[in-house]
Amino acid sequence: DQQVKQNSPSLSVQEGRISILNCDYTNSMFDYFLWYKKYPAEGPTFLISISSIKDKNEDGRFTVFLNKSAKHLSLHIVPSQPGDSAVYFCAASDRYGGSQGNLIFGKGTKLSVKP
Amino acid sequence: EAGVTQFPSHSVIEKGQTVTLRCDPISGHDNLYWYRRVMGKEIKFLLHFVKESKQDESGMPNNRFLAERTGGTYSTLKVQPAELEDSGVYFCASSQQGLGYEQYFGPGTRLTVT
Repeated sequence: DQQVKQNSPSLSVQEGRISILNCDYTNSMFDYFLWYKKYPAEGPTFLISISSIKDKNEDGRFTVFLNKSAKHLSLHIVPSQPGDSAVYFCAASDRYGGSQGNLIFGKGTKLSVKP
Repeated sequence: EAGVTQFPSHSVIEKGQTVTLRCDPISGHDNLYWYRRVMGKEIKFLLHFVKESKQDESGMPNNRFLAERTGGTYSTLKVQPAELEDSGVYFCASSQQGLGYEQYFGPGTRLTVT
């Protein structure tokens, strides 16, 4: 059973607008969440992370929001740029529990930003 | 600073053959992870080294997979003998000492077993 779910396989957004990518998780022991961006034929590139003690983390155009009660996190990209077109993976970790920092990934959402 | 490197970038082998994948982590990173992505599926954890010690190998599919990290530097992942279902992209990632640090991924090795 998937512990990290990205229910939207794809998302299309106009350049300059906001992109919102969503992620849900089932394991309440997860305490660290990350977003990665992946271009074809490359490895995932770290974007931004958030600890479970926070509900928001911001880095430039990227903001991650965490709603622990809903077991939901989202990545906001504002403004979206054509270079943001990639597959975005949500990942979670139970750092001090059984998984010892290993990442559990969602299946990814393919973002297309149109000029 | 050099990133995580992996070799080869692509390997095509026949069923029953042996393949060895190599990963060089970022210098100074104690944690080294192997992950695999089978086509169309999510990236899945295989195992985790802390320096030269296997911290967790719960994700290894079976005993045809053997990982080593001699001296706590680079790591190898050997598949022997390879089966068709082993095809996929194998990623290596590394992170700083301790937990709670982001993992940096290499470009992956695409393994095709025919």
